[in-house]
Amino acid sequence: EADIYQTPRYLVIGTGKKITLECSQTMGHDKMYWYQQDPGMELHLIHYSYGVNSTEKGDLSSESTVSRIRTEHFPLTLESARPSHTSQYLCASRQAYEQYFGPGTRLTVT
Amino acid sequence: SQQGEEDPQALSIQEGENATMNCSYKTSINNLQWYRQNSGRGLVHLILIRSNEREKHSGRLRVTLDTSKKSSSLLITASRAADTASYFCATDLGAGTGNQFYFGTGTSLTVIP
Repeated sequence: EADIYQTPRYLVIGTGKKITLECSQTMGHDKMYWYQQDPGMELHLIHYSYGVNSTEKGDLSSESTVSRIRTEHFPLTLESARPSHTSQYLCASRQAYEQYFGPGTRLTVT
Repeated sequence: SQQGEEDPQALSIQEGENATMNCSYKTSINNLQWYRQNSGRGLVHLILIRSNEREKHSGRLRVTLDTSKKSSSLLITASRAADTASYFCATDLGAGTGNQFYFGTGTSLTVIP
């Protein structure tokens, strides 16, 4: 198992709430990623970071934001959750050619 | 549209049989990787094949790459019930693309004991 952690694992929340999904890794990797995974399994890149103070948007338009103040920490924030945000969110870090994934956060917005 | 597409979408086989899944992609790649995802978990890296390689083996896994057809296949030999999972190919286009991976749509494999 990779040393990359996500909390919470499951979250059910009402529309309009602000939420932050946490992602931490202890491997010292500079590159980190957030993916949104459909029920049909396809992964879409929503944010990535090359290192501290570096963040970029991915291919999938997202209403979320990220920050990278410390190498080990890459949280994702939704300012106002909507039912369309219901999905599985996967965090990953990268060393050389390989990505290491956290266990994911399954978010349900009611 | 996504960089990678996989087929079949779902595959069900008996324990001991071989499982083959295919991945097609659209642009030139630096390398292609296969990942496995158990239900409710993150993805785990299985094997990497570089663009100048044609075949790679790792235990019961065999990966082929045909850059002229922009396709790859993953073969799992002598399957076990524990191989039940979803399998994804991921294409790495290289540093010029922001070090992003593009994941395929995945194949759901069920191995029946």
